[in-house]
Amino acid sequence: GENVEQHPSTLSVQEGDSAVIKCTYSDSASNYFPWYKQELGKRPQLIIDIRSNVGEKKDQRIAVTLNKTAKHFSLHITETQPEDSAVYFCAASISGNQFYFGTGTSLTVIP
Amino acid sequence: DVKVTQSSRYLVKRTGEKVFLECVQDMDHENMFWYRQDPGLGLRLIYFSYDVKMKEKGDIPEGYSVSREKKERFSLILESASTNQTSMYLCASSSRLAGGTEQFFGPGTRLTVL
Repeated sequence: GENVEQHPSTLSVQEGDSAVIKCTYSDSASNYFPWYKQELGKRPQLIIDIRSNVGEKKDQRIAVTLNKTAKHFSLHITETQPEDSAVYFCAASISGNQFYFGTGTSLTVIP
Repeated sequence: DVKVTQSSRYLVKRTGEKVFLECVQDMDHENMFWYRQDPGLGLRLIYFSYDVKMKEKGDIPEGYSVSREKKERFSLILESASTNQTSMYLCASSSRLAGGTEQFFGPGTRLTVL
C-alpha cells in the first residue's frame, strides 16, 4: 500500500518568516494530494490540495508544489502569522478512494 | 455547509465491552471513512465505505468492524474493547467525484478503554 512520510515533525518559525513542510509518497498511482490543518482540539480542515496534472498551486499565503517524478510534494506558507500555529497533515490518494496521511507537523509561529 | 456529526465527543468503556461509534453526514456523500488519531502516528485509516452496504479495510482494521445500512450513516464497532483501542476516532465523508475531493471531518470521539 501507499506510504506517506512527512518532515519535519515539529517546526518553529518567527512571525513573518516562511514555513515549508515536505512529504514523500511511494505509490505512483496516487493522483490527489490534500493538505489539512488541525488546530488544537478541532477537526482537520482542508487548506489546499493539488492533483497530479498540476505542478504548483497557490492560494494567498499558501502554496503547494508537486514533483511526480520524485514522488514529493511540499506545503509553503509565507508571511506566517500566529494563527498559522497548528498541526498540518499531508495526504496522498488514488482518486479519493483511500487516503494515506503523513504523521503530521506541529507548526509554531513565534510572535 | 457540510456537516459531519459523531454520536459522542467523549466515551469511557471497560475492557471487553462492545462499543458503537456513529457518524452521520448530511451532504449525500458516497464515501465515508473511519480513522484513529494517535500522537506521532497521524491519521490511520480503519475502514472506508464507498456505497451503502459496501466496505473496505484500511490499514488497521483488526479489532474493528463497520456498518453502513444508510448512505448518511457509517458506524464503527469495537466488538470487544481493549485498552490499546484508547484513542481519538475521526469520521470523514467525501463526494465520489473523479480525481478525488475534500474530506470533511467530524469533531471526533475521544474513547478511553479502562
